[in-house]
Amino acid sequence: NAGVMQNPRHLVRRRGQEARLRCSPMKGHSHVYWYRQLPEEGLKFMVYLQKENIIDESGMPKERFSAEFPKEGPSILRIQQVVRGDSAAYFCASCEDRGFHLDTQYFGPGTRLTVL
Amino acid sequence: QKEVEQDPGPLSVPEGAIVSLNCTYSNSAFQYFMWYRQYSRKGPELLMYTYSSGNKEDGRFTAQVDKSSKYISLFIRDSQPSDSATYLCAIFSGGYNKLIFGAGTRLAVHP
Repeated sequence: NAGVMQNPRHLVRRRGQEARLRCSPMKGHSHVYWYRQLPEEGLKFMVYLQKENIIDESGMPKERFSAEFPKEGPSILRIQQVVRGDSAAYFCASCEDRGFHLDTQYFGPGTRLTVL
Repeated sequence: QKEVEQDPGPLSVPEGAIVSLNCTYSNSAFQYFMWYRQYSRKGPELLMYTYSSGNKEDGRFTAQVDKSSKYISLFIRDSQPSDSATYLCAIFSGGYNKLIFGAGTRLAVHP
């Protein structure tokens, strides 16, 4: 069973361009989380999605950032008009079922975004 | 005040030492406490988690929670160079399974 997959692993964009980050959850997982890790900082929650639904986007910047998890295909984190402050590692995590108890989140290897 | 505070280190110890990593948290309602290990340029991997107060042991690793002082710890016995990584404490923020992470402590175990 393959783990959480993210691509690209490294992404370089110039200011003003768009960045698209992809995440394929583990097989059988229908819940996806996106976290951002700035240099020398811990991971910060951005958004929680289930198939075709955004459940919690309280950690997402209000502008330029969007996320989706379509019925088919990977989850996408999209950053429009990137700025240097968007440079970070973006991690995706998936888990099997939310329920009302702790479900282990499995993390992907991350996408390292560099904005020039 | 941050919800989870963690000293970023770095922490450098000789092989075989006992390592103590610590975090404090602010919200007494938190119930689940996790420790993740993150190797350089990799995603975090779950080491262990504890529920409420008490200890949990797994091999050379012991996680401890003291809810009265809002203090969580991870102890590593007989540390090995392969333990060199960043260790992140995390709190499970109920409801949507959202994790709140500390800043991470960078640990280096030298032979």
